[in-house]
Amino acid sequence: GAGVSQSPSNKVTEKGKDVELRCDPISGHTALYWYRQSLGQGLEFLIYFQGNSAPDKSGLPSDRFSAERTGGSVSTLTIQRTQQEDSAVYLCASSFRGPYEQYFGPGTRLTVT
Amino acid sequence: AQTVTQSQPEMSVQEAETVTLSCTYDTSESDYYLFWYKQPPSRQMILVIRQEAYKQQNATENRFSVNFQKAAKSFSLKISDSQLGDAAMYFCAYRNNNAGNMLTFGGGTRLMVKP
Repeated sequence: GAGVSQSPSNKVTEKGKDVELRCDPISGHTALYWYRQSLGQGLEFLIYFQGNSAPDKSGLPSDRFSAERTGGSVSTLTIQRTQQEDSAVYLCASSFRGPYEQYFGPGTRLTVT
Repeated sequence: AQTVTQSQPEMSVQEAETVTLSCTYDTSESDYYLFWYKQPPSRQMILVIRQEAYKQQNATENRFSVNFQKAAKSFSLKISDSQLGDAAMYFCAYRNNNAGNMLTFGGGTRLMVKP
């Protein structure tokens, strides 16, 4: 079946603009995770959804970052007033509820100029 | 907080030879999983192998095997008969099964395979 998909694949934006990154998880996966991969910070956890609720937002780096998930499926990560330090690859993963394997999407490379 | 450390930023191996990538972690939890992920230039993270902390037997997947030393909190990956397609970034990851199941990653090791 289809894997985790993310769009856009690449995004270039100007400093101060808002961006939306989208993640389509594998059908039937109730858990969804966002991670950020940057040169300075490595791979770091951002936020986790179980269904439509986010029990753990501890990794969001600032209040400019927010995420939502609707219908227990698609998730959107929004970054407001982007800064150059937001440049990174944003990875999404999904899994069944519980300690199951996480399947990753191909990521969105965000470049803030 | 849990931490994962990969002390080898880069490694190289001759094709058909064996290479071992190191990983250490720190946790006070008892119920956790450890993983090795491969990330080729395509950016897609691919699960290579996983180890449940409660299992004493080391996990094996074809040419990939781990040496899990729980007391030492060490989790190394051995790749046998290295192939050109093994060239990639390799990430060691930890997951606490009682806290949301998010992954904590090490800094990664870039593996180069020489023909």
